[in-house]
Amino acid sequence: QSALTQPPSASGSPGQSVAISCTGTSSDFDGYKYISWYQQHPGKAPKLMIYEVNKRPSGVPDRFSGSKSGNTASLTVSGLQAEDEADYYCSSYAGDNDFYVFGTGTKVTVL
Amino acid sequence: QVQLQESGPGLVKSSGTLSLTCAVSGGSISSGNWWNWVRLPPGKGLEWIGEVHHSGRTNYNPSLKSRVTISVDKSKNQFSLKLTSVTAADTAVYYCAIEGGYKLDYWGQGILVTVSS
Repeated sequence: QSALTQPPSASGSPGQSVAISCTGTSSDFDGYKYISWYQQHPGKAPKLMIYEVNKRPSGVPDRFSGSKSGNTASLTVSGLQAEDEADYYCSSYAGDNDFYVFGTGTKVTVL
Repeated sequence: QVQLQESGPGLVKSSGTLSLTCAVSGGSISSGNWWNWVRLPPGKGLEWIGEVHHSGRTNYNPSLKSRVTISVDKSKNQFSLKLTSVTAADTAVYYCAIEGGYKLDYWGQGILVTVSS
């Protein structure tokens, strides 16, 4: 099972928006809604930001939003803030095989 | 809120066995959730290792399945990871995490394990 494909980096100025893509095969995404996004600051544990494609856990700002189209999922961060600078990983649950696969990771830089 | 804490040796010899434990507090390991291990090799991305249910059922990453065992100890409210025949490629920060509904809700702080030759 290969990792999902993400761009290595993305950047934006404070207040702008940045979108991160996550591309998999049809077996990764087709028919499944269990796509999640995690934020990881250096030296810290990952934090769940989005689950089931577009749902936010309690406490996550509504500046973070998720979507999916075909074999590509996306995370959009609107109104960029300095604290949004981190690594972001997508993840998909492959129900047929009962395991998770992560994306390659995207480093978001706030200029 | 459930809290997780990894523990174990930070240095393992090549060809040896990596053994880690994740202590669960603020909740019961018999709660019905799945309990996961994930790792972050230096300079690379997250890799899912596997998961265990309090019933003992397990699911593993196919790429690691031949070397991995994840088990649960309900009496101690903890679960464990064993990875055999380790090499330098297994050097990573290892995280334990709780799954609730096909998402990893809470994570431990992580523990760095270095494989030495």
